[in-house]
Amino acid sequence: KAGVTQTPRYLIKTRGQQVTLSCSPISGHRSVSWYQQTPGQGLQFLFEYFSETQRNKGNFPGRFSGRQFSNSRSEMNVSTLELGDSALYLCASSLDVGRSTGELFFGEGSRLTVL
Amino acid sequence: LAKTTQPISMDSYEGQEVNITCSHNNIATNDYITWYQQFPSQGPRFIIQGYKTKVTNEVASLFIPADRKSSTLSLPRVSLSDTAVYYCLVGDIFVKAAGNKLTFGGGTRVLVKP
Repeated sequence: KAGVTQTPRYLIKTRGQQVTLSCSPISGHRSVSWYQQTPGQGLQFLFEYFSETQRNKGNFPGRFSGRQFSNSRSEMNVSTLELGDSALYLCASSLDVGRSTGELFFGEGSRLTVL
Repeated sequence: LAKTTQPISMDSYEGQEVNITCSHNNIATNDYITWYQQFPSQGPRFIIQGYKTKVTNEVASLFIPADRKSSTLSLPRVSLSDTAVYYCLVGDIFVKAAGNKLTFGGGTRVLVKP
């Protein structure tokens, strides 16, 4: 069974640009969550999608947005990039049905560098 | 959501047992305790989960006292490859409508020395 796939793995952007990151969850998983990880702030929750609807949202500005498609694949977008957006962006999927334990399965992340 | 507190870092040596304690004083009745492990430049990986008493799997044990206000992750006979950051999370994992509300704290950085 394939794991969570994130693309691209690495990217470099300049301030003011925008970026789109993609996440393909494990087959059958309907919940997709996004996290931002930086050395200073640790692992911070961005948002979670379930059945194409945003179910939870962390404390990030409106420049950070996301969506989920009918096949559960998800994208997140960051507009008007700032230097502080440089981070490892992690996507996690979970089964989230019945009595499943809510275990999160993470991808390897997309490392964004903003110059 | 229950806030968790765990040590920032711990050092150990190969072959020793490592115990990481997490405090969660305001844990709710329906909350479960979950631990994740993260290696550099990788996403966290689920290690173990429990509700009360003791849970053991092939990689770790989780001890939860009766009052559930703390929990201890025990890693037996660690090796260099166990060097990682370990996160303690507390939350209701079965409230599906509420979705994923698991919040990662700062974690505990464990360094295993030869």
